[in-house]
Formats: sequence, C-alpha cells, structure tokens
Amino acid sequence: DTAVSQTPKYLVTQMGNDKSIKCEQNLGHDTMYWYKQDSKKFLKIMFSYNNKELIINETVPNRFSPKSPDKAHLNLHINSLELGDSAVYFCASSQERTPLAGVADTQYFGPGTRLTVL
Amino acid sequence: AQKVTQAQTEISVVEKEDVTLDCVYETRDTTYYLFWYKQPPSGELVFLIRRNSFDEQNEISGRYSWNFQKSTSSFNFTITASQVVDSAVYFCALVPLGNNDMRFGAGTRLTVKP
Repeated sequence: DTAVSQTPKYLVTQMGNDKSIKCEQNLGHDTMYWYKQDSKKFLKIMFSYNNKELIINETVPNRFSPKSPDKAHLNLHINSLELGDSAVYFCASSQERTPLAGVADTQYFGPGTRLTVL
Repeated sequence: AQKVTQAQTEISVVEKEDVTLDCVYETRDTTYYLFWYKQPPSGELVFLIRRNSFDEQNEISGRYSWNFQKSTSSFNFTITASQVVDSAVYFCALVPLGNNDMRFGAGTRLTVKP
C-alpha cells in the first residue's frame, strides 16, 4: 500500500516533446508538491497545491504546469522539453490544510521519476 | 532568507564507527521546522526526523541521534556504530512557519565500508 506513488519511474524522450508525470497519494493529505533534483543532487521545490490552489510557484519556466484533478492527485505537465529539464522529479504530500495553519507537517515523498531528454 | 548548509560533501567511515553529519541553517523567522531525510542508492527520499524551533531537546532513535542547538543554528545528526546499510545521501531541510517552502541543504554522501 504505497503512500505516494509516481508514474512513470523512468521517462526518456526527445527535445521538444510534451510529457506528463502522474502523482497520487493515499494518505488523505491536503497539500502536494513537486520537487526537482538535478544531477548534483540539489533538491528544489517547484510547486505546491493545497485544496486545488497553487501556493508556491518558484521561478519555474511556464512550460511546467501542475494540474490537480482532485486532492489525491497532482500531475506535472511539461511542454517543449529541453535538455536542461533532465532530472529526477519527486512528488510529495503533507497533511497541513493551509500554510498558515501553524505547523509545517512532514512531507512524504514518492519514489521519483527520472526524466532524460535527448 | 532561508538557507541550509551541509558543509561535508562526502564522508567515508568504516563499519561500527560513529559519524556526525553537520547542518547549519539561516533564517530570520523565530518559528521554523527542521528535517532530516535519507536518500539511499535506490533513490527514494526517506523521512527521518522533524523538529520545531521551540523544542531543543536532543532526540535519540536507535543508533540515530540529533543535536539541535539554536544558539549556533545547528541541527547535527549522529549515527552510532554505523552499518553498510547507512550508506546514503543525507539531507537537512528547513521550513519556516507560514509556508510550505522546504529548503534543502546540498546533502552529505555517507559511505560506510565493511
């Protein structure tokens, strides 16, 4: 019974293509996130969604768009893929209802999706 | 600005040695949360501990222990009697109260040799 799952685990594609990565959590959490881990292992937050509202949008190119059909899913769509998009993308979730709820709950991560752009 | 520094890029020890991974953070917030995560060679990120800024008590969990010192803005992690399975990249992270923006350090790669 996986808590946070991502598909696919590996994604190899050509430059210019459009791709999506899916994320689902069965923890009943209210907030979900996408992180990017580059080749040097640096982890950086890209987006978070709370009750279908975007809360954080770091300086991420608008080719990246998160889509949340419901509280349990946060998918990542990437248009016009570039070589520099090659990385491992992690989905995560946490319990807190809003960022001002007074706590920073633990974020639980999915297994990651390794994206390679050729 | 929020920043987490893990100055040790790589550490190598022999099994059964004790090892301490350093974490120093910067924040202007008075309330914040600190985390440690483990990333084994298989790649997933495993939660280890969460600590809020008002709780400076040290924590021990089996062979793992954490030393939180607000005065020096440090949240160090010690593994006692290290084992080969402890080999991983360990990340320290900071979340200020009021947002979900988790800032990670660059990670420390720990190699435990048999």
